[in-house]
Amino acid sequence: DQQVKQNSPSLSVQEGRISILNCDYTNSMFDYFLWYKKYPAEGPTFLISISSIKDKNEDGRFTVFLNKSAKHLSLHIVPSQPGDSAVYFCAASPNYGGSQGNLIFGKGTKLSVKP
Amino acid sequence: EPEVTQTPSHQVTQMGQEVILRCVPISNHLYFYWYRQILGQKVEFLVSFYNNEISEKSEIFDDQFSVERPDGSNFTLKIRSTKLEDSAMYFCASSDGWGGEQYFGPGTRLTVT
Repeated sequence: DQQVKQNSPSLSVQEGRISILNCDYTNSMFDYFLWYKKYPAEGPTFLISISSIKDKNEDGRFTVFLNKSAKHLSLHIVPSQPGDSAVYFCAASPNYGGSQGNLIFGKGTKLSVKP
Repeated sequence: EPEVTQTPSHQVTQMGQEVILRCVPISNHLYFYWYRQILGQKVEFLVSFYNNEISEKSEIFDDQFSVERPDGSNFTLKIRSTKLEDSAMYFCASSDGWGGEQYFGPGTRLTVT
């Protein structure tokens, strides 16, 4: 069962433009969400997170938006750079603050930023 | 910048053999995790560990798997009798709190032949 869904397996964007990666979830008990970036032959690298009490979190070029009613979050990268080309994973953690901490990952979206 | 390290980077073993995958978490972290990613599939949670005991484990983490923190720095995953379907990338992660950001190692590619 896919509790965290990334429906776009790939996305291609021109350098300098905005990249928008989407993620949907089904479990209303999730209340902490994270985005990871992964290059080939490396482990996932933490990018940015958001708790369910917020609807937006920004860190430099990266912004995550959370729409709890729609059970949807998105990662915006602006401006996109060729070095951002990687696989991006959305992850969710149930009951932040009281959970056991396991992360549930989506299948990932491969972002290609073209010069 | 502190990072999680894992050894070996690639392990090839025969079916039925025991393997031990090693991890050195970030030094001031207290919570440790193992995940795996079968080729072409999503990253899956295996087990979490805190205060020298398992906190939570997934249905994947059956009796063939065990974890240990043998000293103050290492965190190991043992698979007692490997099966072909255990072939995957195994990632170790650590965090300084539950539900917070987890930092991943580069992974060990396990190939069972």
